[in-house]
Amino acid sequence: DAGITQSPRHKVTETGTPVTLRCHQTENHRYMYWYRQDPGHGLRLIHYSYGVKDTDKGEVSDGYSVSRSKTEDFLLTLESATSSQTSVYFCAISALRLDYNEQFFGPGTRLTVL
Amino acid sequence: TQLLEQSPQFLSIQEGENLTVYCNSSSVFSSLQWYRQEPGEGPVLLVTVVTGGEVKKLKRLTFQFGDARKDSSLHITAAQPGDTGLYLCAGVDYGGSQGNLIFGKGTKLSVKP
Repeated sequence: DAGITQSPRHKVTETGTPVTLRCHQTENHRYMYWYRQDPGHGLRLIHYSYGVKDTDKGEVSDGYSVSRSKTEDFLLTLESATSSQTSVYFCAISALRLDYNEQFFGPGTRLTVL
Repeated sequence: TQLLEQSPQFLSIQEGENLTVYCNSSSVFSSLQWYRQEPGEGPVLLVTVVTGGEVKKLKRLTFQFGDARKDSSLHITAAQPGDTGLYLCAGVDYGGSQGNLIFGKGTKLSVKP
């Protein structure tokens, strides 16, 4: 199994508070991703990183920011959490062979915004 | 925009039955992947199919990539309760520059003993 951890695993917060989720990998993979998973929507890409300090937006990036200061860590920040950001968040990593992009996922963080 | 549509959305069967789930698109994909996700966990990669017409087997699971590389199917023989989970297909989005994945919404399978 790929070495990917996410913290925290569960979090309950209030509307308007900042929240940071952490993804840590021990595989030294270049690419890291943040997804959210919601009923009826499947997995949607929030942001991704293709190297240290290299990040870009995904399909649903509004209200989220990311940072990657080290290869092994990718942080997702909700600057001011809203109830619509209640979701399960997954981090994934890949070595990205161009036509494949086989991804390995972390265990997820369940976030509830009250 | 490339889209992947999965069917059925939900499937509930008895142990020992066979089933097929489908992943369809109007776009050509260079490869398609299948993942399985169990409740409370992240998706786990099962297989990648690359060549049109390719068939891959993983124990009781058979994966097929369509000849035109626009669709794929997953067939499970003699389903077991351990096969219960959400099955997701995914393909590389060539609309972007970084080869990100597009995911279908999944088929939720329940196998009852």
